[in-house]
Amino acid sequence: EAQVVESGGGLAMPGGFLRLSCAASEFLVETAWMNWVRQAPGKGLEWVGLMKPRAHGDTIEYASAVEGRFIISRDDSKNTLYLDMYLLGIEDTGVYYCTTMNRLKFASDIWGQGTMVAVSS
Amino acid sequence: DIQMTQSPSFLSASVGDRVTITCRASLNIRAFLSWYQKKPGTAPKLLLYSASALESGVPSRFSASGSGTDFTLTIDNLQPEDFATYYCQQGFIAPYTFGQGTKLETK
Repeated sequence: EAQVVESGGGLAMPGGFLRLSCAASEFLVETAWMNWVRQAPGKGLEWVGLMKPRAHGDTIEYASAVEGRFIISRDDSKNTLYLDMYLLGIEDTGVYYCTTMNRLKFASDIWGQGTMVAVSS
Repeated sequence: DIQMTQSPSFLSASVGDRVTITCRASLNIRAFLSWYQKKPGTAPKLLLYSASALESGVPSRFSASGSGTDFTLTIDNLQPEDFATYYCQQGFIAPYTFGQGTKLETK
């Protein structure tokens, strides 16, 4: 069964950096549309960004709230997606989910369990 | 960016009730609309996609309809496990925005 597992969450200082990882199994991230979605405490779901597969030019798109601070990348040899988060602010606190966007459904049908990011001084 | 507006934000209902949640897109998104269920401490779960297609394994009491800008999610014969927060999301164009959520609570 295809699944993804996030890791790398933790406590960061405002202005700091964290790298989240999303390890995939039973499918190749290089062929998948991979998303990051987050949920701040007490708030709703927020789409963070997307990396398209190699066949679509590895195109990356970001939400305006993170563009210029967050970077999505992929290591095909490790079958892992990454989210590098720079210049973290308190507003970046929340649970971060890695998902696959099924392009037949145009919806995220595989979700990880999430990893918690807390930005605080 | 496409704005997704859900209503109501909160909904009180009882087991056995039928409830409807609406989602409105600020632009025509054709049928690129999906619905998710979110419970505290767990990952969101895809319920329906392409506006009305039921995800495998999801009970048939969940149904949805709509196209263009107006969409609805209906839950028939509410079960105790259905009390959760529901989100719509457009898959038409990035950023793939979510609605603000509808929290379904027990009356």
